[in-house]
Amino acid sequence: SQTIHQWPATLVQPVGSPLSLECTVEGTSNPNLYWYRQAAGRGLQLLFYSVGIGQISSEVPQNLSASRPQDRQFILSSKKLLLSDSGFYLCAWSVPPTSYEQYFGPGTRLTVT
Amino acid sequence: AQKITQTQPGMFVQEKEAVTLDCTYDTSDPSYGLFWYKQPSSGEMIFLIYQGSYDQQNATEGRYSLNFQKARKSANLVISASQLGDSAMYFCAMREEGAGGTSYGKLTFGQGTILTVHP
Repeated sequence: SQTIHQWPATLVQPVGSPLSLECTVEGTSNPNLYWYRQAAGRGLQLLFYSVGIGQISSEVPQNLSASRPQDRQFILSSKKLLLSDSGFYLCAWSVPPTSYEQYFGPGTRLTVT
Repeated sequence: AQKITQTQPGMFVQEKEAVTLDCTYDTSDPSYGLFWYKQPSSGEMIFLIYQGSYDQQNATEGRYSLNFQKARKSANLVISASQLGDSAMYFCAMREEGAGGTSYGKLTFGQGTILTVHP
């Protein structure tokens, strides 16, 4: 069966510090991968998606970047965090073209202080 | 313009009663999918139900049904026989197919509705 992992679960970082959040998927191949951010009490906003190794598309201009060094690994990074980067970060995957469902990871709660 | 609109910030329902959560959408894409997710306080996103734009029947999954009215561009979630464990945030989301299927499965979410089930 397929599983998706994210770590860390929670993170408190000072403004200006770097960031690295990791997402890995097990039990599937060639997934589409997605990073979403959720501000407190709000809906999810798509940040990045990837359809293959090294292929990253950004949906919104921001202070963050993403990378996909392996087929089932997706990393969200920042060189210098801003207060506005605080939020709940969710990784998700789907398998095109037959799977319509997106499966979400447990999320990382990031607080920038 | 908002692509997904959930007009109810919060809803209350008595245990064992039915509740409808509203969702309207906006798209010019003839092929799209509509989703409902549940997010408990733990934060995980739980897939509930899916409706394709070409599906003739309304989708149902156990106690969940999706009232799909294509002409009105609405996709309301109906939860029958509410349970205390149904208390959570509920999100409506849409996936547009895009020209040549180029949407890559991206989802657009509404702002969510907080459902509280009273005993």
